[in-house]
Amino acid sequence: SQTIHQWPATLVQPVGSPLSLECTVEGTSNPNLYWYRQAAGRGLQLLFYSVGIGQISSEVPQNLSASRPQDRQFILSSKKLLLSDSGFYLCAWSSLAYNEQFFGPGTRLTVL
Amino acid sequence: AQSVAQPEDQVNVAEGNPLTVKCTYSVSGNPYLFWYVQYPNRGLQFLLKYITGDNLVKGSYGFEAEFNKSQTSFHLKKPSALVSDSALYFCAVRDTNNAGNMLTFGGGTRLMVKP
Repeated sequence: SQTIHQWPATLVQPVGSPLSLECTVEGTSNPNLYWYRQAAGRGLQLLFYSVGIGQISSEVPQNLSASRPQDRQFILSSKKLLLSDSGFYLCAWSSLAYNEQFFGPGTRLTVL
Repeated sequence: AQSVAQPEDQVNVAEGNPLTVKCTYSVSGNPYLFWYVQYPNRGLQFLLKYITGDNLVKGSYGFEAEFNKSQTSFHLKKPSALVSDSALYFCAVRDTNNAGNMLTFGGGTRLMVKP
C-alpha cells in the first residue's frame, strides 16, 4: 500500500530564516506530487506540482520554491520566510491509476 | 477553467438527523468529483468520488453523494449524523481531460453535529 510522509509536523521559525519542508511517498512509482497551503483552516491554495523528477510547475508567484530531487521526494523551500508564510502545508500525491489525490498529515508552520 | 462552490460555511445538525453538505461545480468537459474530510490539524482524507456510472456514490463512514448533471451539483449526504462526523468537508472537481490530476477545491464547509 502507498503512504505519504511529511516532516516536520510543526515548525516555528523567525522572519527572514530559511525553510525546508520534506514530503516522501512510498509504495508507488512516478507519482504526481503537489504542495498546498491552507490558511486559517479553510481553503486550499495549490503552490506547486510536479509530474516527474526535476519538473516543477508553480501556481502562485511568491518567495517559496519547490524541488523534486528524487522520484518520490518533494521539497518546499524558502530562502527568507515572511510572516504571511505561516499556515498549514499539505503535500499530496496522485498517479495514473488514481483519479483522486492522497494527502499527507501536513506541517504547521508559524513564522514569528 | 474549472471551479467549485460550497455555498455554506457551516452546517449544523443534531446527532441522528440526516445531513447534507452542498457542492456545485463548473467544468468545460465531463467532471470527476470528489469529497474529502479534514479533522483538526490533519491532512485531507478521501471520502468518495464520482467518475462515471451510477449517480449515487457510496463512500467511507456511511457517506454518500449524488451527482446531478443538470444542476451541476454533487451534494454529500448521510442518513444519520454522528458527533464524530464534525469536521471540515471539501468538495473537489477535475475535468476528464485534465492532465496531472489537477483538482480544484471548494472553500470548505464546517459540519457541526451536536449531541
